[in-house]
Amino acid sequence: GEDVEQSLFLSVREGDSSVINCTYTDSSSTYLYWYKQEPGAGLQLLTYIFSNMDMKQDQRLTVLLNKKDKHLSLRIADTQTGDSAIYFCAESLWGKLQFGAGTQVVVTP
Amino acid sequence: EAGVAQSPRYKIIEKRQSVAFWCNPISGHATLYWYQQILGQGPKLLIQFQNNGVVDDSQLPKDRFSAERLKGVDSTLKIQPAKLEDSAVYLCASSLGRSTGELFFGEGSRLTVL
Repeated sequence: GEDVEQSLFLSVREGDSSVINCTYTDSSSTYLYWYKQEPGAGLQLLTYIFSNMDMKQDQRLTVLLNKKDKHLSLRIADTQTGDSAIYFCAESLWGKLQFGAGTQVVVTP
Repeated sequence: EAGVAQSPRYKIIEKRQSVAFWCNPISGHATLYWYQQILGQGPKLLIQFQNNGVVDDSQLPKDRFSAERLKGVDSTLKIQPAKLEDSAVYLCASSLGRSTGELFFGEGSRLTVL
């Protein structure tokens, strides 16, 4: 199975906040990432957080990191239809990225 | 700035046939990656190049997969002979190699093996 685990699906109403959760395995990971994949496209880096940080905010995106529980979350404020995509959590291990299976986010009007 | 270019976008072959995918990374990016993304799964690293040298190919099925990066720029990933379980999207990515680890992905090459 995946070393990085995510829930598979999230449905959210337009204008609400979305929260996508991820658990990772290696406490020595230096960076943790959130990538977005739209249909038929490659992955695009949304944001990342250094392992000595607890929180990072970037416009509508807020990343929370709980190192004790090896838990990472991504909050998207005021979710829009353009936010519908698959979101991948990834941890950096020895210079390699280990991806989760992705969370499909569907935004409904 | 041009992104990572991949071709072909789609390929359908029969099992035991061969296929090759091409990738042109972002200019100046020394590090190039090939990932395999099976439907419903996250990308899995197949091989990583630093310039034209292999950094990591531990998850590359070397009995059927090969990859090269001549002159440290373009790269080709070949599968010969293909199996049904090779059906996937093959993603190429490149990076400057900084510690922040930002990878820039191409749109991928979707392979269907019948």
